[in-house]
Amino acid sequence: DAGVIQSPRHEVTEMGQEVTLRCKPISGHDYLFWYRQTMMRGLELLIYFNNNVPIDDSGMPEDRFSAKMPNASFSTLKIQPSEPRDSAVYFCASSLERARQETQYFGPGTRLLVL
Amino acid sequence: AQSVTQPDIHITVSEGASLELRCNYSYGATPYLFWYVQSPGQGLQLLLKYFSGDTLVQGIKGFEAEFKRSQSSFNLRKPSVHWSDAAEYFCAVGARGGADGLTFGKGTHLIIQP
Repeated sequence: DAGVIQSPRHEVTEMGQEVTLRCKPISGHDYLFWYRQTMMRGLELLIYFNNNVPIDDSGMPEDRFSAKMPNASFSTLKIQPSEPRDSAVYFCASSLERARQETQYFGPGTRLLVL
Repeated sequence: AQSVTQPDIHITVSEGASLELRCNYSYGATPYLFWYVQSPGQGLQLLLKYFSGDTLVQGIKGFEAEFKRSQSSFNLRKPSVHWSDAAEYFCAVGARGGADGLTFGKGTHLIIQP
């Protein structure tokens, strides 16, 4: 299995621009998670999906952030408009719920820099 | 609300020496506990996990961790570290393992001295 795939791996953009991060979960997994990692706040959960349906988006910082999962093999996290404080590493993770004991597998992350 | 505390921001250990990384959690029920490792510029790799049963769990790369309910701790250990173990280590807690968001500690940066 190729693991969780994220693109792009690096993104540099200017303040005010729209940014779209992409994630392909492990085939067959039914949960997908988006996390953000910063020096100040560490790793924090933004949103997660079960069977393509958003379950908990309470971690999404504000309305500038949105996430979608149009099908079982693809999810996007969009920031519009972007701000310098959005600079972080964004991780996608997926898992398969089986007896509620499965593990989250993380992608390599997208390093976002907003100038 | 659940929380995780990793009291040591940095730890320096000589190669070949033993290692213990501390993790304390706060959670109302039996937690699902994890240790992940992150090498520079990389994603997170699972080292080991605890759901139930034997409180001493074995993981990859020679790591083990012990769940102590009375102390709300899940410390990570390795008897002899290698230079390749230098990385960032994260303890995490979840309500339902893979079916809920994880709460992570701030991480411990492990430095290996030759």
